[in-house]
Amino acid sequence: DAGVTQSPTHLIKTRGQQVTLRCSPKSGHDTVSWYQQALGQGPQFIFQYYEEEERQRGNFPDRFSGHQFPNYSSELNVNALLLGDSALYLCASSGGSSYNSPLHFGNGTRLTVT
Amino acid sequence: DQQVKQNSPSLSVQEGRISILNCDYTNSMFDYFLWYKKYPAEGPTFLISISSIKDKNEDGRFTVFLNKSAKHLSLHIVPSQPGDSAVYFCAASVYNAGNMLTFGGGTRLMVKP
Repeated sequence: DAGVTQSPTHLIKTRGQQVTLRCSPKSGHDTVSWYQQALGQGPQFIFQYYEEEERQRGNFPDRFSGHQFPNYSSELNVNALLLGDSALYLCASSGGSSYNSPLHFGNGTRLTVT
Repeated sequence: DQQVKQNSPSLSVQEGRISILNCDYTNSMFDYFLWYKKYPAEGPTFLISISSIKDKNEDGRFTVFLNKSAKHLSLHIVPSQPGDSAVYFCAASVYNAGNMLTFGGGTRLMVKP
C-alpha cells in the first residue's frame, strides 16, 4: 500500500521563477494538505484541498496556489519565488469524512531558491 | 506569534531511561493535540494524540499528558530506545475544524546506547 508520494524530491529555482510541486495521497484518502517547513522550524500550514476545492488556508500570500484533481492528487504552485521560499514542502493526506484522522505525510520536496 | 512552543531544541537520554518532551500552547481554542516523530529525509509520522476531554493517553511505551489549565502537554517515552532518536513535533488543532495543525518547532531526541 503506497503512502503519500511527492515529486520531485529536490528542486533548485532562481528568484522570480515559478515552481510546481506534486503529491499523490495515500490510497483511500481524499483530502490533501500542504505544509512548509523552514530550516530548524516546525511545519507551517499552507492550505488544504477536499473535493477539488480549497477548504482551508493558512497565512500564506496569493503567490501560493494549489489544485486538486479528480483522482485526489494535488499540486502546489508558487509564483515569483523569493529566497525565503526555500524550504521543505510537505504534503499530507487524510480521510476527508473524519476531520481528525491523523495526517499521513510524504517525504517532502526540498526547494532551494537562489 | 508562536501558538505552539517546544522550548527544548534537544534532549539527550540514556537507553532504558524515561524521555520527557514538553510542549506549551497559548491558543485556548485548541482542543486536540498530537505528537509526530520525524527521521531525517522522511516525512513526520503520527505517534499519539489526545483530546482536551482527557488528561492522559497511553499507547505502548508512549504516554501523552495534558494539563489544560497550564496549557501544557508532555510526551513520555518509557523505556527509551536508540531507535527513538528523532525530531519530535507537538501539534495542536481545533477539533472538527478540518485538521489544520499548528506545529511547535520540534525537539531533537538522542537516545544513547
